[in-house]
Amino acid sequence: NAGVTQTPKFQVLKTGQSMTLQCAQDMNHEYMSWYRQDPGMGLRLIHYSVGAGITDQGEVPNGYNVSRSTTEDFPLRLLSAAPSQTSVYFCASSFRPLGQGAGNTIYFGEGSWLTVV
Amino acid sequence: GDSVTQMEGPVTLSEEAFLTINCTYTATGYPSLFWYVQYPGEGLQLLLKATKADDKGSNKGFEATYRKETTSFHLEKGSVQVSDSAVYFCALSDITQGGSEKLVFGKGTKLTVNP
Repeated sequence: NAGVTQTPKFQVLKTGQSMTLQCAQDMNHEYMSWYRQDPGMGLRLIHYSVGAGITDQGEVPNGYNVSRSTTEDFPLRLLSAAPSQTSVYFCASSFRPLGQGAGNTIYFGEGSWLTVV
Repeated sequence: GDSVTQMEGPVTLSEEAFLTINCTYTATGYPSLFWYVQYPGEGLQLLLKATKADDKGSNKGFEATYRKETTSFHLEKGSVQVSDSAVYFCALSDITQGGSEKLVFGKGTKLTVNP
């Protein structure tokens, strides 16, 4: 059972470098999202997608780009890394809910630890 | 907007002690409520959930009851083990403007259980 797969697990970048965090799910989920986790801040939503070709911004989108060309993949791009983007990143996916309070379970990847120096 | 407030940690307990981690929420509608657990060096795993008022979620000896009257979803376990040491996140599901579901997380509570 692959579930949600994120790569790489660890990455060190220099300020100004670009990179892409990969996320793939094999559950045919329509909804995918990226969160960042920082000490004392919990998880904050960066971007999300409700299906192939559709993306939208979350709570902290600045400095990140996303695209959703297929149902399975949802990469997160850092075009010019900054030290403030040092964080742990989580990709998540779920079925599109039928309505509010549907209790739709969201599945998380194992996380990507990114350090920008 | 919707929000989740959970007790600040860290929480340190001895093995076999009783655990309570408080969680309250603010929501305009009828959210589903979740507890996620994050073990050291790992991602988040769903621990339990409840989808409507008075529902009780349970898993691995942990329980939480959806209390609409007090807007709470406190996590409890009668006898903790060293292996329960982790960070616990309370969360609620919310509907975005686009009509899709997203999670709103609390800031997390770190639990350390000593032998």
